Amino acid sequence: QLQLQESGPGLVKPSETLSLTCTVSGGSISSSTYYWGWIRQPPGKGLEWIGSFYYSGSTYYNPSLKSRVTISVDTSKNQFSLKLSSVTAADTAVYYCATQIYYYYFMDVWGKGTTVTVSS
Amino acid sequence: QTVVTQEPSFSVSPGETVTLTCGLSSASVSTNYYPSWYQQTPGQAPRTLIYSTNTRSSGVPDRFSGSILGNKAALTITGAQAADESDYYCVLYMGGGIWVFGGGTKLTVL
Repeated sequence: QLQLQESGPGLVKPSETLSLTCTVSGGSISSSTYYWGWIRQPPGKGLEWIGSFYYSGSTYYNPSLKSRVTISVDTSKNQFSLKLSSVTAADTAVYYCATQIYYYYFMDVWGKGTTVTVSS
Repeated sequence: QTVVTQEPSFSVSPGETVTLTCGLSSASVSTNYYPSWYQQTPGQAPRTLIYSTNTRSSGVPDRFSGSILGNKAALTITGAQAADESDYYCVLYMGGGIWVFGGGTKLTVL
């Protein structure tokens, strides 16, 4: 059964780059079945799709974050990563990684989420 | 800027039926947007309820159903239970690898 686990620093300084990794178990990150995505949720607010990666090498980003986001994949480690540059307090959130099913276009398996706080 | 709209809050009595909706600021929602619905309780990751408009995810009780009602996607809970008190989010697939979340509906069962 596919499982996802986020990891990374819980505290990032303003203007620096937030870096998170999602480790995939129970399945291959090279599968054509899935997009591999990141979603976040600021405290007390709703969910926001950040971006996704497809095994073909294509990446897709939320237009509102596109200039600051990079999603990449390490097939040797079965992991995918999120980098968000020039962070501010507004980027404080719980960050989730999730699979998105190709052709049906929904979020299927979710990680438990990791809290990232942006503060000096 | 695409905006997906949901009722901010809704209240239902136990045993009653409630329908939450998911609209678009600039168009009608159709099956082409592959509407999906998620349930989230405080401190937990979202749980997938419905995908492709009306397909229940594995293990989801059949009191949850999805549809298109008029120009919106809809999530209906038939016979609401106290355990259904949660936040509910819809997501629309805009094409080109872009997804947009609605703002969420806080459902109270009392």
